[in-house]
Amino acid sequence: DTAVSQTPKYLVTQMGNDKSIKCEQNLGHDTMYWYKQDSKKFLKIMFSYNNKELIINETVPNRFSPKSPDKAHLNLHINSLELGDSAVYFCASSPASSSYEQYFGPGTRLTVT
Amino acid sequence: GNSVTQMEGPVTLSEEAFLTINCTYTATGYPSLFWYVQYPGEGLQLLLKATKADDKGSNKGFEATYRKETTSFHLEKGSVQVSDSAVYFCALDSNDYKLSFGAGTTVTVRA
Repeated sequence: DTAVSQTPKYLVTQMGNDKSIKCEQNLGHDTMYWYKQDSKKFLKIMFSYNNKELIINETVPNRFSPKSPDKAHLNLHINSLELGDSAVYFCASSPASSSYEQYFGPGTRLTVT
Repeated sequence: GNSVTQMEGPVTLSEEAFLTINCTYTATGYPSLFWYVQYPGEGLQLLLKATKADDKGSNKGFEATYRKETTSFHLEKGSVQVSDSAVYFCALDSNDYKLSFGAGTTVTVRA
């Protein structure tokens, strides 16, 4: 059983398009996250949700809109894609914040042409 | 704010060599500290963690000790294998619903 799954694994699209990435966790965790990893492998938090409520929005452009329909899902919708959005996006979950391991999904490699 | 500084790579070693990756942090309060590993083409997985000063985390032959006095959490392994080739990330959590990551260190182990 996959603990944290993301779809799709690869996403190639053109500038200006709108796309979504889905994330699901079957661990019963309360907290979910989106991270962005750039081409130099640097990882940065984008959003954190706790019990379906947005906790952190780390100065992400409002073209990015997360949605959490329930505690097990955190989807990421991106409007008007730009070249600079090309990256690997990781979803993660944890029982709560602090001291607890975060479990990461396999990542979605987004390429904007 | 919180920040993590880790040794820049890439690091290339021969099998059975000693590996150390330095990590220092800046944080308010008493953060939890983590080392994550990312194998090629995969997501991150926890390697080890420490939640309070002087705790030692260990896993798969890797060790790191939470040193509050030097704000450090250096990763060490006494004898690396080819299968340890990966990107290693030091991270901290200050109970603020996010992990702050270091820049990552790419390690390549040659047979």
